[in-house]
Amino acid sequence: DIVLTQTPLSSPVTLGQPASISCRSSQSLGYSDGNTYLSWLHQRPGQPPRLLIYKISNRFSGVPDRFTGSGAGTDFTLKISRVEAEDVGVYYCTQATQSPYTFGQGTKLEIK
Amino acid sequence: EVHLVESGGGLVKPGGSLRLSCAASGFTFRNVWMNWVRQAPGKGLEWVGQIKRKVDGETADYAAPVKGRFLISRDDSKDTLYLQMNSLKIEDTAVYYCVAGVGFSPLDQWGQGILVTVSS
Repeated sequence: DIVLTQTPLSSPVTLGQPASISCRSSQSLGYSDGNTYLSWLHQRPGQPPRLLIYKISNRFSGVPDRFTGSGAGTDFTLKISRVEAEDVGVYYCTQATQSPYTFGQGTKLEIK
Repeated sequence: EVHLVESGGGLVKPGGSLRLSCAASGFTFRNVWMNWVRQAPGKGLEWVGQIKRKVDGETADYAAPVKGRFLISRDDSKDTLYLQMNSLKIEDTAVYYCVAGVGFSPLDQWGQGILVTVSS
């Protein structure tokens, strides 16, 4: 199984400041169709996860442009340019390149 | 607008069975691969399994912890996904999410989730 390792696991951030989360994969996530099925999810307390970023760097519908995904191969990053109060919660990276689909452990973003 | 509504959760004893349903709307259900993902209390996300669309063989794939105990099926005439859970264990206690890969990503639309509690 592909293991996804996120760092940090907890990130206290000041409002208006940037935040960055890393996701490292145990194997390359490139698929035979040329795509890399690495996504980022955000889960607010008491809510289901929602998709933020798909295929490394594509923002899902309605996602603000302060969220940016980047990376290739085995190393990926989610950046928030200026953290807002609504960004609190847990962020997960997930891969759908190979079955079983797997998730990172989650990174808890909280406001200082 | 996409809607995925899970039902059928509740309290069940170890060794028991339960069937979850997920009613889908807002997209062409028969064209979409569907997934179940679960989240134990206070824990992270765990993929449970997936079923392909009929044109791709309607085959299902499962995570190792549930293989042989859980069965995923779909009824395209009812736009409904199912998860039959047998031989339930305490460690199956979780919120179960129905997740659709509508177009952008295999996991791009999530239901609200339904709680399954396995306890004596």
